[in-house]
Amino acid sequence: DIQMTQSPSSVSASVGDRVTITCRASQGISSWLAWYQQKPGKAPKLLIYAASSLQSGVPSRFSGSGSGTDFTLTISSLQPEDFATYYCQQANSFPPLTFGGGTKVEI
Amino acid sequence: EVQLVESGGGLVKPGGSLRLSCAASGFTFSSYSMNWVRQAPGKGLEWVSSISSSSSYIYYADSVKGRFTISRDNAKNSLYLQMNSLRAEDTAVYYCARKIMGAIDYWGQGTLVTVSS
Repeated sequence: DIQMTQSPSSVSASVGDRVTITCRASQGISSWLAWYQQKPGKAPKLLIYAASSLQSGVPSRFSGSGSGTDFTLTISSLQPEDFATYYCQQANSFPPLTFGGGTKVEI
Repeated sequence: EVQLVESGGGLVKPGGSLRLSCAASGFTFSSYSMNWVRQAPGKGLEWVSSISSSSSYIYYADSVKGRFTISRDNAKNSLYLQMNSLRAEDTAVYYCARKIMGAIDYWGQGTLVTVSS
């Protein structure tokens, strides 16, 4: 199975900061990568699919990049509602779908 | 509006069984692959099972293979997860999820399954 490793596991940031989260796959996954945001007690929400495509309704301050094994999620200017946990997920080698361990963005 | 509403969670003893249901609305259910994803308390996301639109292809995580059975009824716009031989490590919020192009674009609100004596 493909392993997904996210870094950092947590990041402290302030409103207006640029935040970058990294996800590394244990083997190449082309562009079959998605990013999700999850707030406490809520279901995850899709932000980015196919590594860099913005899901409908998601603010443009979120962007994704990468292919192969290394990917990044960037929040260009952190807003108060962006404090949450973020997960990456690969779908190149299915089954299984595999998720990264999560990155908590906190103040 | 796409809606996925899970039900059937609860407290069950180790070795017991539970059946989860997911009622779908707002889209053509029979056209989509559907999945169950779970999240143990304070932990990350774990994919559990997937079923193709016509039930031709069914997959399970190794951790549940042989114990869980996924099924769907396209006439009723419903997804199911039959969970047998439950263990403490199956304790989690279980999400019903629609997958398209490798990503999960819609999630239910989740139903909590607690396995404890």
